[in-house]
Amino acid sequence: QQQVKQSPQSLIVQKGGIPIINCAYENTAFDYFPWYQQFPGKGPALLIAIRPDVSEKKEGRFTISFNKSAKQFSLHIMDSQPGDSATYFCAASVSYKYIFGTGTRLKVLA
Amino acid sequence: KAGVTQTPRYLIKTRGQQVTLSCSPISGHRSVSWYQQTPGQGLQFLFEYFSETQRNKGNFPGRFSGRQFSNSRSEMNVSTLELGDSALYLCASSNLGNTEAFFGQGTRLTVV
Repeated sequence: QQQVKQSPQSLIVQKGGIPIINCAYENTAFDYFPWYQQFPGKGPALLIAIRPDVSEKKEGRFTISFNKSAKQFSLHIMDSQPGDSATYFCAASVSYKYIFGTGTRLKVLA
Repeated sequence: KAGVTQTPRYLIKTRGQQVTLSCSPISGHRSVSWYQQTPGQGLQFLFEYFSETQRNKGNFPGRFSGRQFSNSRSEMNVSTLELGDSALYLCASSNLGNTEAFFGQGTRLTVV
């Protein structure tokens, strides 16, 4: 019940495409859902986050869609660029800890 | 504003030894969390501290311990190192612990 399931494991899109990464959870006690971007050799960097009382949030080219009833949330990257090639992690927070998804390795082709 | 600083960046230790990792949070942040990242297990929560008190702990053996000082800086200690402890250890700081968390670059620990 503490798991966060993330898919797909990897994703390849053309420049300008809109990659979509999905996450699902079971624990309704989760109250904060961030997305992180990680480049090789670096720590995860916070991209965007949402709370369960909001269905969508946009920050720049990144959008989170949140479906509370389905217990699912997703990240959309608009107009993707080769510089977006990285590993993306969703997470869910409860009791001062994050449960992370397994990560999605995104490659954006030039 | 300076980010989260972790030291050292790289460490090589021998099985059976112990190691201490350090984390300086963003100024003003009082919550510090630690995570272990491995290719096989992903990012796993170790523990979280707020105002020198551990508020939550993950499912790791007692060889893994931590503490937080009055200036919010935190240390993590691993005793009796095993080969399987080789990982990237990440520290994250946040204001209260249930809001945005910002990660450091991590300490890459290799146990040989």
